[in-house]
Amino acid sequence: EIVLTQSPATLSLSPGERATLSCRASQSVISNLAWYQQKPGQAPRLLIYDASNRATGIPARFSGSGSGTDFTLTISSLEPEDFAVYYCQQRNIWPLTFGGGTKVEIK
Amino acid sequence: EVQLLESGGGLVQPGGSLRLSCAASGFTFSSYAMSWVRQAPGKGLEWVSVISGSGGSTSYADSVEGRFTISRDNSKNTLYLQMNSLRAEDTALYYCAKDQLTSTTRSYFDVWGRGTLVTVSS
Repeated sequence: EIVLTQSPATLSLSPGERATLSCRASQSVISNLAWYQQKPGQAPRLLIYDASNRATGIPARFSGSGSGTDFTLTISSLEPEDFAVYYCQQRNIWPLTFGGGTKVEIK
Repeated sequence: EVQLLESGGGLVQPGGSLRLSCAASGFTFSSYAMSWVRQAPGKGLEWVSVISGSGGSTSYADSVEGRFTISRDNSKNTLYLQMNSLRAEDTALYYCAKDQLTSTTRSYFDVWGRGTLVTVSS
């Protein structure tokens, strides 16, 4: 099973700041990695797929990069609605696995 | 509008059974694989199972293999999860999710339902 380790667990930032979230895989997932956003009481929402492609309707301030074992989600300038928990997910090898999440909170 | 609506959750005793349903609308249901993903209270996401668009191929997480069965009825645009021999650790919000890709069951999830809560407790 591929283990996805997300860091940091919590990121405390102010609106307008840049957020950089990390996801590290225990073995290569090539570029088969997605990022999701989850707000309290809501279902997850797909943000980024195949490491760097924005899903439909996702604002350009969200970007993804990386390949192999190291991936990054960047939010260029945090909006109030971006404070949430973010998960990465790999689809390269069964079973599909998610990271433990990074909470982006208001500082 | 693409929508998924889960139902069937509830309180069940350890060792009991429950059947979840997910009604889909707004897309060609039979063209897409569908998955169940769960989230224990206050915890992260765990993929549970996937079924291909035709229903001919399924996969399960090791934690539920042999206890849970995924199925679908394309004539009713409905996905199911039969859960047997339930354990306390199966307590979670169960989401139905549409696979993004049509070419494989190893996919991402681009549409999610709101979830149905399963509580396993005596």
